[in-house]
Amino acid sequence: SQQGEEDPQALSIQEGENATMNCSYKTSINNLQWYRQNSGRGLVHLILIRSNEREKHSGRLRVTLDTSKKSSSLLITASRAADTASYFCATDASNTGKLIFGQGTTLQVKP
Amino acid sequence: GAVVSQHPSWVICKSGTSVKIECRSLDFQATTMFWYRQFPKQSLMLMATSNEGSKATYEQGVEKDKFLINHASLTLSTLTVTSAHPEDSSFYICSAPSGGIYGYTFGSGTRLTVV
Repeated sequence: SQQGEEDPQALSIQEGENATMNCSYKTSINNLQWYRQNSGRGLVHLILIRSNEREKHSGRLRVTLDTSKKSSSLLITASRAADTASYFCATDASNTGKLIFGQGTTLQVKP
Repeated sequence: GAVVSQHPSWVICKSGTSVKIECRSLDFQATTMFWYRQFPKQSLMLMATSNEGSKATYEQGVEKDKFLINHASLTLSTLTVTSAHPEDSSFYICSAPSGGIYGYTFGSGTRLTVV
């Protein structure tokens, strides 16, 4: 499977700052999803954005999608130490649940 | 919300032995289950897709005789790592479509260490 690219690979910020992570992918998609993974744990679904949507909000999360550039961004506003985790984008090209994951961004939020 | 229960959460086994990992959908029917593998500090790679009542579909490069997948019912899928070797040590995680805007529900993962 082709993996997406995410940048940065690692991000370290202070509590209260905003964190932006970017994801690029290679194929046409039906939707793109963002997941969070705490160290050594399972994945938690954060947000799903469909190919015909450009922006979506959920609490402190804001996701954008640019299908012409095959890219997406995840913005976490007013970060907290508890946001420390790895964040992955995943694309679903066929609406079957078969996800292709990006390489992930490791976010550290310092208190 | 939808929950996928995955067991065990961690297991240590000796080389040459087999290990079974279970994923159960607790409050919904999972006709499809996806199995992923994640090596340390890497992303998730899809290994195979299991469908209730039919043979699993394996991704290229994944040995179907080594990673046996059985989708016995609408709520249970199992992955058996046969004749495990140290290079099979990894984090294995399942997921099932949970519908709507919620994407897919992931199990909590199984950390397999083969010694």
